[in-house]
Amino acid sequence: EAEVAQSPRYKITEKSQAVAFWCDPISGHATLYWYRQILGQGPELLVQFQDESVVDDSQLPKDRFSAERLKGVDSTLKIQPAELGDSAMYLCASSLSGGPYEQYFGPGTRLTVT
Amino acid sequence: QKEVEQDPGPLSVPEGAIVSLNCTYSNSAFQYFMWYRQYSRKGPELLMYTYSSGNKEDGRFTAQVDKSSKYISLFIRDSQPSDSATYLCAMISGNTPLVFGKGTRLSVIA
Repeated sequence: EAEVAQSPRYKITEKSQAVAFWCDPISGHATLYWYRQILGQGPELLVQFQDESVVDDSQLPKDRFSAERLKGVDSTLKIQPAELGDSAMYLCASSLSGGPYEQYFGPGTRLTVT
Repeated sequence: QKEVEQDPGPLSVPEGAIVSLNCTYSNSAFQYFMWYRQYSRKGPELLMYTYSSGNKEDGRFTAQVDKSSKYISLFIRDSQPSDSATYLCAMISGNTPLVFGKGTRLSVIA
């Protein structure tokens, strides 16, 4: 069964350092999402890609966060500099075009900023 | 008031019980209603989704949507210890992002 891959699974970094997360969506899925999930909360969308184009990044803190999906396949989310409040689970999801309700999530990257 | 409200629990039930999980929402434009299951340290897994009002059944799981009351439910029959997880409701209207509830933590005790 095809799955969304993410790495690393866990990351501990000091504040003010840079950190990057990688996501490989299910093959053929044109839409890719990055979410942030704070402990005890539901996921919140950070950025949505359709192929290589950003569709929605209205909730992405652009002063420190960036995301790219250069060839319309895998994607990288970067935080620079990391802050204590960035500690959370970062989830990647993908879907076929036209079906935002059938989003398939990866296992996530748990980030701890010390 | 958040767009989607969900009691975080925790909810603890004996094996074999019928479980009822609920969410309320304020945005009448929501059209699709989803339920996700999330095991500890894993990503959410889509259980089922419904469009507009009505019921949908899949095995031991039944989803209900009452748009007039802005209330959705997920019922789990014959609950099993393997159902122990956090259950997240999520909703969407048009091309807007998915809006999730906080999740309800469920424990099924053998």
